[in-house]
Amino acid sequence: GQQVMQIPQYQHVQEGEDFTTYCNSSTTLSNIQWYKQRPGGHPVFLIQLVKSGEVKKQKRLTFQFGEAKKNSSLHITATQTTDVGTYFCAGQGRDDKIIFGKGTRLHILP
Amino acid sequence: DAGVIQSPRHEVTEMGQEVTLRCKPISGHDYLFWYRQTMMRGLELLIYFNNNVPIDDSGMPEDRFSAKMPNASFSTLKIQPSEPRDSAVYFCASSHRTVLAKNIQYFGAGTRLSVL
Repeated sequence: GQQVMQIPQYQHVQEGEDFTTYCNSSTTLSNIQWYKQRPGGHPVFLIQLVKSGEVKKQKRLTFQFGEAKKNSSLHITATQTTDVGTYFCAGQGRDDKIIFGKGTRLHILP
Repeated sequence: DAGVIQSPRHEVTEMGQEVTLRCKPISGHDYLFWYRQTMMRGLELLIYFNNNVPIDDSGMPEDRFSAKMPNASFSTLKIQPSEPRDSAVYFCASSHRTVLAKNIQYFGAGTRLSVL
C-alpha cells in the first residue's frame, strides 16, 4: 500500500539556523499537505501543494512539491523558538485516504 | 464554528474495561477521520467516514475496536475490552472535500487514553 516516509525523525538546530524536512511517497500523489503539531497539541494544517514542481512560501517557510509528485520538502529559514514542534507531511493518492509521515520533531537550542 | 470537539480529553481506565471516545465534527464537513498517535507508530489512520458511511477501516487494529457515525454531527470510537497497548492519543479530524481544498483536515484536541 501507499507509504509516506519522512526524514529526519529528529532535528536539533541553534536558533537562527535553517531547518529542512523531507517527505517521500512510494506512489504518485494527487496532493501533499503539511501540518505542524506543537508539543502537547494537535496537528494544524499549514499548506497544501497540488501541482508538479509547485513552490509556496509562508513567511520563513518554503514548501516544495517534486516534479514527479512523489516527494516534498519544508524549509524554515532562520528558525525561531516558536518553530518548535513536529512537522508532518500527509500525502493523498487517488482515493480520499491521506497517509501521514511519521513527522520530524524540531528542537530549537537558544 | 467551535472546531472539532472531542471528549473526554483524558481517560484513565483499567485493562478489560470498555472505552468510548466521542467526536463532533465541524458542521458541514462530510469526512470524518479517526487517528491514533503514539511515539513508536506516529499518526495512524484507523478509519474514515464519508457522509456517515465507513469507507476504509483497514487501519483498525483488531476486532476490539469499532467506530460508528450515526449522524453527520457525531461519531464514536469504542474499544472493548481495552488493553494497556491501546494507550495513546486518539484524534478525530473532519474535512470537506472541494476541488481546491482536497481533504484538508481539521483536528480535534485529542483524547489521551491510559489503560492500566
